[in-house]
Formats: sequence, structure tokens, C-alpha cells
Amino acid sequence: GEDVEQSLFLSVREGDSSVINCTYTDSSSTYLYWYKQEPGAGLQLLTYIFSNMDMKQDQRLTVLLNKKDKHLSLRIADTQTGDSAIYFCAESGRDDKIIFGKGTRLHILP
Amino acid sequence: GAGVSQSPSNKVTEKGKDVELRCDPISGHTALYWYRQSLGQGLEFLIYFQGNSAPDKSGLPSDRFSAERTGGSVSTLTIQRTQQEDSAVYLCASSRGTSVYQETQYFGPGTRLLVL
Repeated sequence: GEDVEQSLFLSVREGDSSVINCTYTDSSSTYLYWYKQEPGAGLQLLTYIFSNMDMKQDQRLTVLLNKKDKHLSLRIADTQTGDSAIYFCAESGRDDKIIFGKGTRLHILP
Repeated sequence: GAGVSQSPSNKVTEKGKDVELRCDPISGHTALYWYRQSLGQGLEFLIYFQGNSAPDKSGLPSDRFSAERTGGSVSTLTIQRTQQEDSAVYLCASSRGTSVYQETQYFGPGTRLLVL
């Protein structure tokens, strides 16, 4: 079945780059997503990438996709305290459903 | 409002009682989704409405769960005879639903359900 895996925790010093990794199983996925969830708030779409792309950059965010290995990563440059949140990797499964990972909690060290 | 809204934001209920959770999607969005986020788990798809089509109920965990969408707008998720394992955050999302391609889903803040 479809599955999305990501590590549960990541600690990064303020100003460093954060790299959050994700693997997925559905090779027919057309879109892959990164969502951010701040405490007490709903999910916010950060960025997404088409499956025929290798990389997408949007300001401090860089998404890398290795379709052969079914590996997706999100790099946040110059990590700030406001980046502290849970980051969800997701893939578009069949019938418009989105399959989410369990989320990676990003903790910023001073 | 510009975003997806959900009510109540928090709900505490006793085991065995029925609960209703409400979702107001973004105006004009024809697609509406319900997800559940349990503690330590990823988001779990529950049900999907697209326009006037029959809903995709394949994610509903049991027959105690049902949802309806009246007039193509507001949706209600009902959980009958709640169990403690139903405790979770229930998230609603909507999208324009006008494209054959996958579209951005906009999420509400969620309803936190606690079954005692």
C-alpha cells in the first residue's frame, strides 16, 4: 500500500540549514508536498513539486526529489525560530487523496 | 472569512455519546476532505466530497463514522457511540476541485476531540 516515512524529530541551531527527509512508496505519485503545522494551527502548504522535476526553490526553501529512490527532502536555509513546527511530507495517492507522513518536529536551538 | 473554518475547536465527550463536527470550506471550493490526526500518527484520510458526486468513503474507520455535505458547502462529520480511540484532531480541507490535476488543499485549524 501507499506509505510515507519521515523521521520524527530534528534539532538545528538558529542560522544553520535544516534538512528534513522523506521516503514514499507510490511510484505513480504525481505531486509531492511539504506542509507546515504550527502549534494550535491548521496545516499550511509550504511547497509542492511535480514528479517530473528534480528540484524546486522558493526563497529559503529548496525541495529535492529523487524519483528513482522515492526520496524527497526539504531544506530550509538560515533556519529561524519561527520555523519551529511540525513538517509533513505528503504524496498524492490515487483518487485525489493525499497520503501524509507522521511529521517531523523541527526544534530550533539558540 | 477567507479560510476553512471548523467548529467546535475543542470537544470533550463521554464514551458512547455521539458527536458532530462541522466544516465550512472556502467559498467556491467544490472539493472537501476530512482527515484525522491521532497522537503519534500521521494524517489519516477519512472521506472526500467532490461536487455532486457520491463521496469517497473508503477511509472511514468504521460504520460509526459518517459525513454529509449539504448544498455542496458545509460538511458535518458525525461519530456515533464514541470510543476512546476516536480521540484525535479532525482536520477538514477544501480545494477548488476544478482541475484534473492535483490541487492545493487548504486546511482548517481542526477540531480536537477527547473521548473520556
